[in-house]
Formats: sequence, C-alpha cells, structure tokens
Amino acid sequence: KAGVTQTPRYLIKTRGQQVTLSCSPISGHRSVSWYQQTPGQGLQFLFEYFSETQRNKGNFPGRFSGRQFSNSRSEMNVSTLELGDSALYLCASSLGGQWGYTFGSGTRLTVV
Amino acid sequence: TQLLEQSPQFLSIQEGENLTVYCNSSSVFSSLQWYRQEPGEGPVLLVTVVTGGEVKKLKRLTFQFGDARKDSSLHITAAQPGDTGLYLCAGAPQGSGYALNFGKGTSLLVTP
Repeated sequence: KAGVTQTPRYLIKTRGQQVTLSCSPISGHRSVSWYQQTPGQGLQFLFEYFSETQRNKGNFPGRFSGRQFSNSRSEMNVSTLELGDSALYLCASSLGGQWGYTFGSGTRLTVV
Repeated sequence: TQLLEQSPQFLSIQEGENLTVYCNSSSVFSSLQWYRQEPGEGPVLLVTVVTGGEVKKLKRLTFQFGDARKDSSLHITAAQPGDTGLYLCAGAPQGSGYALNFGKGTSLLVTP
C-alpha cells in the first residue's frame, strides 16, 4: 500500500514569506503528526491531528499552524519565515499513535 | 528539556562487532518505540515495546524495555554495514497524550 506522501520534497523560501506543506497519510490512518528535525534539536513535535481535530500541540510559536481535512490529508503552514525555520519537516501517520508511526520522507525547507 | 536521553551519541565500529544503544528517562512511558533513519529520509519504525521488562528480537536486533518503563536498550549482534544509520528512541510519557518525544539519536557507522 502507498506510504505517507509529503510534498514538496524541497523548498527554498525567503525570510518573511509563508509556506504550506502537504501530507497524505496511509489510507485508513486518521492520526497525523508533524515534526521538525534540525541537527541541533533533533526531532521536535509540532502538532497532532485526529479526525480533523488538533489533539496535541508542541511548544512552537503561533506562526506554525496546521489543519486536517475530512480525507485525513493534512497541511502545515509557517508564516513570516525566519532563518531558524530551516529544517526537515516530517509528517507521520498512525492508526493509534502509541503503536508507532509511519513517516514520510519529509520536506526540506531552506529559508534564505 | 530532553525527556529521552540517548547514549552514545556517535558510534563507529567494524563489521562483526556487537553494540548497545541506551535510551533513558526519568519519566514513565506507556510504550517506547525505536526508529532508524537514513540521510534524507524519514524515520522507519523498528519496534514498539509496551510491557515493563519486555524483550523483542528482530533478526540481529534485540530491544529491551526497562522494568519501570523509564528506559530501553537496543543491542545489535554482529553489526553489518547495512545497519548504518541514525537510531532514535521515542515515546509519549504516560498521560501526556499522543505527542511523541524523541531522543536526539545515536549515529551508527559500521565499516567493512
């Protein structure tokens, strides 16, 4: 079956711009989570959605937002980009989070 | 605050050697997961351990969950170059919902 699909794979944006990243989970998975990965901080939790409802939110500024659609596809948005937002953004889906997630290949965002 | 501490941070060994990676916390976890990540890709789930004291084997990999469910270890027997990658432990502290906390990872290099 198809895995978790993230688009785009690579993105270069300028400081101050905004960006939207997309994630299509495995069919039947209703839980979708987003993570930011940087060399210094590792993987940090952004937010988790289940059936279109945000169940958990990590410790990130309000510039980071997300949503989930009725077909479980999810998007995350970062507004007013900063250089420090450069990272690999990973999306993961699950039937039930405690049992493990399937990750996408990520979107590599570079802010210049 | 890093809830999960992994050690060692880096490990470089020769093919055929054994190794152990540790994942420690002061928090109790309902379950812990181990992932392996290769450069430019998302983490891939290796195993989920749920019961305190549980031992799970995956070919040459042995995973153990501590009795108090605060720590875990990954032991690789007779490492091979294909084992090279970043090993991550992850879990959600009991009662915290579905926000996975990740350790910073152990970067393993196995040379022929």
